[in-house]
Amino acid sequence: RKEVEQDPGPFNVPEGATVAFNCTYSNSASQSFFWYRQDCRKEPKLLMSVYSSGNEDGRFTAQLNRASQYISLLIRDSKLSDSATYLCVVKTTSGTYKYIFGTGTRLKVLA
Amino acid sequence: DAGVIQSPRHEVTEMGQEVTLRCKPISGHNSLFWYRQTMMRGLELLIYFNNNVPIDDSGMPEDRFSAKMPNASFSTLKIQPSEPRDSAVYFCASSFLAGVGNEQFFGPGTRLTVL
Repeated sequence: RKEVEQDPGPFNVPEGATVAFNCTYSNSASQSFFWYRQDCRKEPKLLMSVYSSGNEDGRFTAQLNRASQYISLLIRDSKLSDSATYLCVVKTTSGTYKYIFGTGTRLKVLA
Repeated sequence: DAGVIQSPRHEVTEMGQEVTLRCKPISGHNSLFWYRQTMMRGLELLIYFNNNVPIDDSGMPEDRFSAKMPNASFSTLKIQPSEPRDSAVYFCASSFLAGVGNEQFFGPGTRLTVL
């Protein structure tokens, strides 16, 4: 089993739709959680950190469920510019710190 | 802040040649990471340094790959000799590693093509 798992997609949604991605992780000692966005042929960029109580940034909402070991990302009112790959990242401490990346979920927002 | 700086941005070389990729992390960050990304394998961690010391190099594919961090503001990833299967985008990232939070910041990547 992979340490961090994501549905690769693609998720094809119309503009204005709401879309949600989940990501599961296997290490219960994981400390920190992030969502990154990666555009084609570009570097991953931090979209948002995920806090225990859940957090929102404009149209984006991130949630953490430690009991079930998953994090989620909700995008409301999708825009064409949201089309990208969304990477789930988990930071763990097992002797040494590690950032574990999921393989990413591809989103295409259609006009 | 200039962010993580990588050079060159593109490199085309022939099989058997030596390739050196360079990275300057964000000032104040104490950790530096080298990743490789391909369509087939996604983003793979090759090696990371903490306070200039290599901590985990289990992702380095083989002895042809080596990485150094002589000081806090510079790192190199060297491939000698290069092979066509090394063709990929190589990203460098930095962070302040300790504690909760503290995300990684990525450089723009070096797109390597080995013919």
